[in-house]
Amino acid sequence: AQRVTQPEKLLSVFKGAPVELKCNYSYSGSPELFWYVQYSRQRLQLLLRHISRESIKGFTADLNKGETSFHLKKPFAQEEDSAMYYCALPNFGNEKLTFGTGTRLTIIP
Amino acid sequence: GAGVSQSPRYKVAKRGQDVALRCDPISGHVSLFWYQQALGQGPEFLTYFQNEAQLDKSGLPSDRFFAERPEGSVSTLKIQRTQQEDSAVYLCASRTGGPLTGELFFGEGSRLTVL
Repeated sequence: AQRVTQPEKLLSVFKGAPVELKCNYSYSGSPELFWYVQYSRQRLQLLLRHISRESIKGFTADLNKGETSFHLKKPFAQEEDSAMYYCALPNFGNEKLTFGTGTRLTIIP
Repeated sequence: GAGVSQSPRYKVAKRGQDVALRCDPISGHVSLFWYQQALGQGPEFLTYFQNEAQLDKSGLPSDRFFAERPEGSVSTLKIQRTQQEDSAVYLCASRTGGPLTGELFFGEGSRLTVL
C-alpha cells in the first residue's frame, strides 16, 4: 500500500534561514507528488506539484527516487511561510490523494 | 464564485444522531471529493464523484456513511447514528482537470463534534 511519511510534526526556523520540510513516500510505480499548504485561518491549497517542476513562493521540491523523498525547500525563510504543510501522493489508477500527517512550520522573527 | 462552500461550519451532535454535511463546489467542476481529517492527522480520502456518479467510495469507514450528488453539483455527506470516533473535520474539494494536472480546491471544512 502506498504511504506518505512526514517525520516532523513541528519545525521552527529563524527568518532568513533555509527551510527543509521532509517527505518520504512508499509507492511501487513512478510517483507524482504534491505539496499542499494551509495558512492560519485559510483553507488547504495547492503549493506545488512535481509534474510542473515549478517554484512557488520561493519553494522547490525535488523528487529523489533513490531515497524515495520529495522534500520541500526554500533558501531563505520568510515570516509568511508559517503554516501547516502536507505532502500528498496520487494513487495510480484512481483519484485518491494520500496525504501525510503534516508539518507545522513556524518562522521565528 | 467564491470557491468551495461547506455548511455547517460547526456541528455538535449527540451520539446516535444523524448529521448531514453540505458541499457546494466551484461551478463547472466535474470532480468532487470528500475527505475526513482527524485531529493531528492529514486528510483521508472518503469518496469521489464525477458529475453525479459516485465512482469511488472505498474510503467510507462504515455503512453509516453515505454521500450523494444527485444533480452533479451540490453534494451531501450523511452520517447515521454518529459515534464519538466520527468527530473530525470533513473537507470537501472540487477539481477541474485530471489527477496529476488538476488542482484540488478545498472548502473550509465542517467540524463535527460527537458528544
